[in-house]
Amino acid sequence: NAGVTQTPKFQVLKTGQSMTLQCAQDMNHEYMSWYRQDPGMGLRLIHYSVGAGITDQGEVPNGYNVSRSTTEDFPLRLLSAAPSQTSVYFCASKDLAANYEQYFGPGTRLTVT
Amino acid sequence: AQSVTQLDSHVSVSEGTPVLLRCNYSSSYSPSLFWYVQHPNKGLQLLLKYTSAATLVKGINGFEAEFKKSETSFHLTKPSAHMSDAAEYFCVVSEEKAGTALIFGKGTTLSVSS
Repeated sequence: NAGVTQTPKFQVLKTGQSMTLQCAQDMNHEYMSWYRQDPGMGLRLIHYSVGAGITDQGEVPNGYNVSRSTTEDFPLRLLSAAPSQTSVYFCASKDLAANYEQYFGPGTRLTVT
Repeated sequence: AQSVTQLDSHVSVSEGTPVLLRCNYSSSYSPSLFWYVQHPNKGLQLLLKYTSAATLVKGINGFEAEFKKSETSFHLTKPSAHMSDAAEYFCVVSEEKAGTALIFGKGTTLSVSS
């Protein structure tokens, strides 16, 4: 199993550009989520999904869109990048029927200039 | 509503001395609690978890934590620090409802000096 994979590892955007951060898992987990990590803030939930076709907002959803067309993939879209979105983004997944442990991807470091 | 407070943003210890990282939580339901570790420029690794079984939880690398409901605490300890323990540690809470997300504390940076 590859676990949770994220691409790209690093990305630099200009203000106003759009892009999609990719996340995939091969563990057949129903639950997937996106977090952003900023210094001194811990990780904050952006969006999450409890299954294909179902998504919901987390603590900091503004400026981000998600969709869940398959169990495996949960892409995060930045519609119009802003410097405030400079952060490290982590995708995670878990089995809803299991022990609540979430498995994290390696992260994507995004810089918006 | 759930919340997590890590009482120290930075803890410094000497190699071979005990480690104590403090965490208090707030939860409306029976919580699951976790400690994650993040080494510099790395992803998150689960150290240990409490999910309503034994209140003293043992994790990897000699770490353990005790769930104290009366004090709403879940402090992380290790008897003897090692240089490789230097990292950022996150206390995390999740409620026992399907689909409920993880709530992270702001993190404690552990420094270990020789």
